[in-house]
Amino acid sequence: AQSVTQLGSHVSVSEGALVLLRCNYSSSVPPYLFWYVQYPNQGLQLLLKYTSAATLVKGINGFEAEFKKSETSFHLTKPSAHMSDAAEYFCAVSLYSGGGADGLTFGKGTHLIIQP
Amino acid sequence: ETGVTQSPTHLIKTRGQQVTLRCSSQSGHNTVSWYQQALGQGPQFIFQYYREEENGRGNFPPRFSGLQFPNYSSELNVNALELDDSALYLCASSRRQGSGELFFGEGSRLTVL
Repeated sequence: AQSVTQLGSHVSVSEGALVLLRCNYSSSVPPYLFWYVQYPNQGLQLLLKYTSAATLVKGINGFEAEFKKSETSFHLTKPSAHMSDAAEYFCAVSLYSGGGADGLTFGKGTHLIIQP
Repeated sequence: ETGVTQSPTHLIKTRGQQVTLRCSSQSGHNTVSWYQQALGQGPQFIFQYYREEENGRGNFPPRFSGLQFPNYSSELNVNALELDDSALYLCASSRRQGSGELFFGEGSRLTVL
């Protein structure tokens, strides 16, 4: 079975500062990894996806994440935070390589707060 | 291109009742999945439908059931509601099952009293 742990339920950064949201996974097979963002009163939106093609994955809105197998991590970063980045961020894992049917296993989420 | 739409947005039920939630998939998407998001938690996978058949299920009891229609819209039915069923129910569609690239609706907020 796979699982995801997000370290820090709340992260606060100043506008313009580096954003770092931590995610560690557990999986018995090479996983697919995802970051989703949920803005207030909206559904989740895919930020980026890792599928083993490249360890550094670039997503929307200037976010990127690096897959580190040795650390079983998939941390999300953004060089310079913007007020509009304030939201709930979820890391998720899937075992499927595209041919099967299964859901994503989500972490509990990290609430990102941007200080002006 | 219309997104994923869900109805109703909010509803209140009492324990023991039954509820049906509805979802219209994004245009061109043939796979729909449902998630339960309790307050302060990440979404939990309930089940997935592909070509009108359930082909994946999370750790939810049989009183959670669903349907997918030929136009790829979907329903989630929950029987014998319990207080712990109070949550945000999210519908997500995708072009290809197993891709993990899900397009979510805004959810239906269910409160069970």
